[in-house]
Amino acid sequence: DIVMTQTPLSSPVTLGQPASISCRSSQSLVHSDGNTYLSWLQQRPGQPPRLLIYKISNRFSGVPDRFSGSGAGTDFTLKISRVEAEDVGVYYCMQATQFPLTFGGGTKVEIK
Amino acid sequence: EVQLVESGGGLVQPGRSLRLSCAASGFTFDDYAMHWVRQAPGKGLEWVSGISWNSGSIGYADSVKGRFTISRDNAKNSLYLQMNSLRAEDTALYYCAKDKDFGVVTIIDWGQGTLVTVSS
Repeated sequence: DIVMTQTPLSSPVTLGQPASISCRSSQSLVHSDGNTYLSWLQQRPGQPPRLLIYKISNRFSGVPDRFSGSGAGTDFTLKISRVEAEDVGVYYCMQATQFPLTFGGGTKVEIK
Repeated sequence: EVQLVESGGGLVQPGRSLRLSCAASGFTFDDYAMHWVRQAPGKGLEWVSGISWNSGSIGYADSVKGRFTISRDNAKNSLYLQMNSLRAEDTALYYCAKDKDFGVVTIIDWGQGTLVTVSS
């Protein structure tokens, strides 16, 4: 199974300042079809998760442009350019390149 | 509007079985792969199982392989998870989730979840 490792575990951020989350996979996420099925999800307290980014850098419908994804192979990053109060929650990376799908352990973003 | 409504959760004794259902609406069900994802209380997300649009591709987490079976009925717009030999560590909120494509790409929609508690 592919192991997804996220850092940091927790990220206290000042409103309006940037935040960055890293995700590393135990093996390359490049699929045989050439795509890299790495996604980022946000889970606000008490709610189901919500997709932010798919295939490394594609912002999903309705996601603010302050969220961006980058990376390749085994190393990926989610960046929030200016954190807003509504961004508080836990962020997960997820790989769908091969079964079983696997999630990172989560990064909690909170306001300082 | 996409709606995914889970049912079938509850309190069950270790070793017993439970069948979860997910009623889907607001989209063409047989155009999309579907998944079950669970979240133990206070813990992170764990993918449980996924199934392609035509049931031709199915996968399971190692933790449930041989005990859980995913299935779908495209005529009824429904997804199922048969859970046998339940253990305390299966206690979690189980989400029904919709993929972005007919194969497995990513998860774009989630239900509110149904709680499964395994305890004597």
